[in-house]
Amino acid sequence: EPEVTQTPSHQVTQMGQEVILRCVPISNHLYFYWYRQILGQKVEFLVSFYNNEISEKSEIFDDQFSVERPDGSNFTLKIRSTKLEDSAMYFCASRKGGGGYYNEQFFGPGTRLTVL
Amino acid sequence: DAKTTQPTSMDCAEGRAANLPCNHSTISGNEYVYWYRQIHSQGPQYIIHGLKNNETNEMASLIITEDRKSSTLILPHATLRDTAVYYCIVRVPPIIQGAQKLVFGQGTRLTINP
Repeated sequence: EPEVTQTPSHQVTQMGQEVILRCVPISNHLYFYWYRQILGQKVEFLVSFYNNEISEKSEIFDDQFSVERPDGSNFTLKIRSTKLEDSAMYFCASRKGGGGYYNEQFFGPGTRLTVL
Repeated sequence: DAKTTQPTSMDCAEGRAANLPCNHSTISGNEYVYWYRQIHSQGPQYIIHGLKNNETNEMASLIITEDRKSSTLILPHATLRDTAVYYCIVRVPPIIQGAQKLVFGQGTRLTINP
């Protein structure tokens, strides 16, 4: 069964450093998402991406964040200058589009980001 | 999206049916009820969704009251692997509103006991 993959599984970085979190969505999916979950808190929406542009972004997704689909398979989240409060689990999700079950979002296993 | 209310936690014995309630008294006519779950440290997983009729798939059943103000997710024969946080989300389906994000609440932490 196709699945969303994410790398790395765990990223440790120093405050102020740039990080890039990588995702490979399911191959025929058209909509892509990033969510984050701070330890012990709710899953929070960050950004959605469709047709090579951002569809929607949350207040969390400020100028320090950016997303890119550099080729036909990868979907990346970049944090330019990490802060301590960026420490969280980051989930990528993708959705095929259209009706039925396959309209729903499939989530990856997540990348745990630790900012020291 | 309409607000939902779920119990913070529930316990169920292995092999028994787990019934998870959700209140959504402000649901509007075109909003569906969706259920996702999150097994510890994993990404959320879609379970089922419905509008007004009861729905069943290989994972679970969804019972929606006639007035649509509440629903119950049923795991018919719970196993230890069903221990997870279960989220009830009310929303217009993505086919109508394009990319549309998911808005997660705190959910119900379901523990299946041996």
